[in-house]
Amino acid sequence: QKEVEQNSGPLSVPEGAIASLNCTYSDRGSQSFFWYRQYSGKSPELIMSIYSNGDKEDGRFTAQLNKASQYVSLLIRDSQPSDSATYLCAVSSSGSARQLTFGSGTQLTVLP
Amino acid sequence: GAGVSQTPSNKVTEKGKYVELRCDPISGHTALYWYRQSLGQGPEFLIYFQGTGAADDSGLPNDRFFAVRPEGSVSTLKIQRTERGDSAVYLCASSPGGTGELFFGEGSRLTVL
Repeated sequence: QKEVEQNSGPLSVPEGAIASLNCTYSDRGSQSFFWYRQYSGKSPELIMSIYSNGDKEDGRFTAQLNKASQYVSLLIRDSQPSDSATYLCAVSSSGSARQLTFGSGTQLTVLP
Repeated sequence: GAGVSQTPSNKVTEKGKYVELRCDPISGHTALYWYRQSLGQGPEFLIYFQGTGAADDSGLPNDRFFAVRPEGSVSTLKIQRTERGDSAVYLCASSPGGTGELFFGEGSRLTVL
């Protein structure tokens, strides 16, 4: 069973702080990693993708990947109340690169 | 609109009935996916189409579930003899090239009474 594990939260941070979201995965052959944001009652939307070890920055978001440790993280700098949502980690399958396995998500609340 | 369109947005049916859920992907996107999401869980993969063919249907839970994409655009997910455990939000997503960068529709919420 290929698994993607996330802390369910809820994670609360004050406005302006850094939010750190973590994800571990079991499929050592996975090559592609994604973070999706899902607002309550809405569908997931892609915010970051990462394919190589190291950091990838996009605006206030930084994704970090460590394949040796099978660990992916998402940092949100200068958190805003509008960042309050569930963040889903998704990992491609080594058997089928088109099949994503999602974690259960971490619920983030940014307090004004 | 330019996004993925799913109909119906809500469907309530009785146990044992047949249901069809429709997905119209973003124009030009060759890859189309069906996922389902239960409350408090992440989306669960069902099936992936590249063009007209089902390239990976390993996520379909049993033979009551079937999906088609006859002309390489619109797809229909078909569920026979529905069970209460089929209740979930069924999400369709498309992608320009079959990467994991998915564009999701707003989903079809299925409730089986």
